This record gives sequence, C-alpha cells and structure tokens, in this order.
Amino acid sequence: ETGVTQSPTHLIKTRGQQVTLRCSSQSGHNTVSWYQQALGQGPQFIFQYYREEENGRGNFPPRFSGLQFPNYSSELNVNALELDDSALYLCASSLRQASSNYGYTFGSGTRLTVV
Amino acid sequence: AQRVTQPEKLLSVFKGAPVELKCNYSYSGSPELFWYVQYSRQRLQLLLRHISRESIKGFTADLNKGETSFHLKKPFAQEEDSAMYYCALSGERGNTGRRALTFGSGTRLQVQP
Repeated sequence: ETGVTQSPTHLIKTRGQQVTLRCSSQSGHNTVSWYQQALGQGPQFIFQYYREEENGRGNFPPRFSGLQFPNYSSELNVNALELDDSALYLCASSLRQASSNYGYTFGSGTRLTVV
Repeated sequence: AQRVTQPEKLLSVFKGAPVELKCNYSYSGSPELFWYVQYSRQRLQLLLRHISRESIKGFTADLNKGETSFHLKKPFAQEEDSAMYYCALSGERGNTGRRALTFGSGTRLQVQP
C-alpha cells in the first residue's frame, strides 16, 4: 500500500508566474484535499475534490484551482503568483464514507518559494 | 465560522512529567475533533480521533462540549514525544466541504531528558 506522494518537493517561482503541483493519492482513497501551510502556522484548507469535482473550498481566490483525475491523483494550479503564496502545500487523501471522518493521509508537501 | 485555538506555541517538560496540550474550538454544530502530530523531518500524521475514544502512544483526548475543548494528555512524557502537535476540527456546515479540516496553529512539545 503506497502513501500520498507529492511532486516536486521544492520549487522556486517568480511573482506573476503560474505553478502546478501534483499529488498521487493513497491507494483506495477517493477524496483529495489541498492545504497551504505558511511558516509557523497550521495548515489552511484550500479545496477538496471527490469524484473529479470540487467538493468544497476554503477562503482562497479563484487563481487557486485544481483537478482530480480518474485515478484519484490531483493537481493544484496557482496563477499570477504572489509573494504571500510562498508556503508548504500539502496534499491529503481520504476515503469518503457516509459515516464519520476517518482522517486524512498527508503527503510530505511541496515547498513553494515565490521571489 | 469554525475555529481552533491552541494557546501555547511551545510546551517544554521533563521526561516522566505529565503533559497537557490545550485545544479549544468554536463551532455551532457537532464537530469531529482530531489530533495530528508531526515528528522532525516526517509528514503530518493522524494521532487520534475523538470519536474512537482510543489511546495512542499513551495519549488520550476527551471532547468536552461544555468547555468546547479537546485537550491532549499523557501521564508520563517520553523524549520521543517531542514533536509538533496540531488540533483539528471537521464540521459539516458551510461551503468548505463536509470533511475539510480546520487546524490550530500548533504546539511544539519539547521533552527534555
């Protein structure tokens, strides 16, 4: 059973550029969420995907967008990068059930630096 | 709106001492509460969930709805418990997604020998 893998591990971009981060979910998981973790803060929810559709969104602007593919892997796209977008981006997968939350499996994250 | 507050950024104790990491939440419905842990150079991982009422690595946490708290406790700290601990809440309301997690800002636990 594989865990959640993210790529790349580190990335440096210039303000105004666009970036795509990738995530492979844990085997058997059908839900993927993305979180942004600024230095010294807890992770903040960006959005969640289930069955290839956005299933909820946090307080992030539309320039943050995502995709989920039939194999449950996912992408996070950020357009028009700003300096404040510098953070660790975490992907987390889970198995969506009708009952309670079984918790997420997190990836190691992608460290994005915008200069 | 849902919010999780961890008032202590750093908690330093000696080995064998009791530990209590505080977590308070704000949510108008019935939340699910979690504790996540991040050891040095490792990924964030689930420690325990309130709904399962389990004890993991000697840690327990009881949901107190009256005080809106979910403090993490361990009677005797070990050096290997040193890590960053995050309290998180999952709720059903709002447009953030049924199982999105709201995290606190975390508490770093240092267990000294």
